[in-house]
Amino acid sequence: GENVEQHPSTLSVQEGDSAVIKCTYSDSASNYFPWYKQELGKRPQLIIDIRSNVGEKKDQRIAVTLNKTAKHFSLHITETQPEDSAVYFCAASSNYQLIWGAGTKLIIKP
Amino acid sequence: DAGVIQSPRHEVTEMGQEVTLRCKPISGHNSLFWYRQTMMRGLELLIYFNNNVPIDDSGMPEDRFSAKMPNASFSTLKIQPSEPRDSAVYFCASSLDRGAGANVLTFGAGSRLTVL
Repeated sequence: GENVEQHPSTLSVQEGDSAVIKCTYSDSASNYFPWYKQELGKRPQLIIDIRSNVGEKKDQRIAVTLNKTAKHFSLHITETQPEDSAVYFCAASSNYQLIWGAGTKLIIKP
Repeated sequence: DAGVIQSPRHEVTEMGQEVTLRCKPISGHNSLFWYRQTMMRGLELLIYFNNNVPIDDSGMPEDRFSAKMPNASFSTLKIQPSEPRDSAVYFCASSLDRGAGANVLTFGAGSRLTVL
């Protein structure tokens, strides 16, 4: 079945530096790739998503890139801030069901 | 819109008791999902409804779990009898199934269940 692998499981960066989280998926029919941020004790919230007809999408300090040939996509956060500390989940979908990555705990060091 | 509304936010119960979790999706959304989240297993899809009809319940752990969606604005997840291993945060999420917002999930705040 469909599988999504996410790396790293934990990422620690200095405040102001960039952070990159990578995901690979197995189902070549996948066409929707969202990223969710979950702060401690809160609900997952969509921060950015990309569909398979584009290769990159940006929203202020956040960007997502998609390589359909290699079946991987990445989340890029620039100029990290303390409020970026959270667990980030990637997911992939070809129908109603999102297949989730295991999550990356992002730690922003002051 | 107030978003996806879940109740209760916290539930502490004893093993063997019945637990009912409730969800009101975003108005106009026709897809509804129940997820369970634990540290060990991450986010697990339990059941998916489309237009109030259960489409995929393959994630429901066992017969002790059941879910209903009697109308477009209400769904329940019931556990009977509850067991300590059911302790988790249960999220309800809703989305549209077509158009520009297709598959964009909005989650409720979750129901944290503790079974003693």
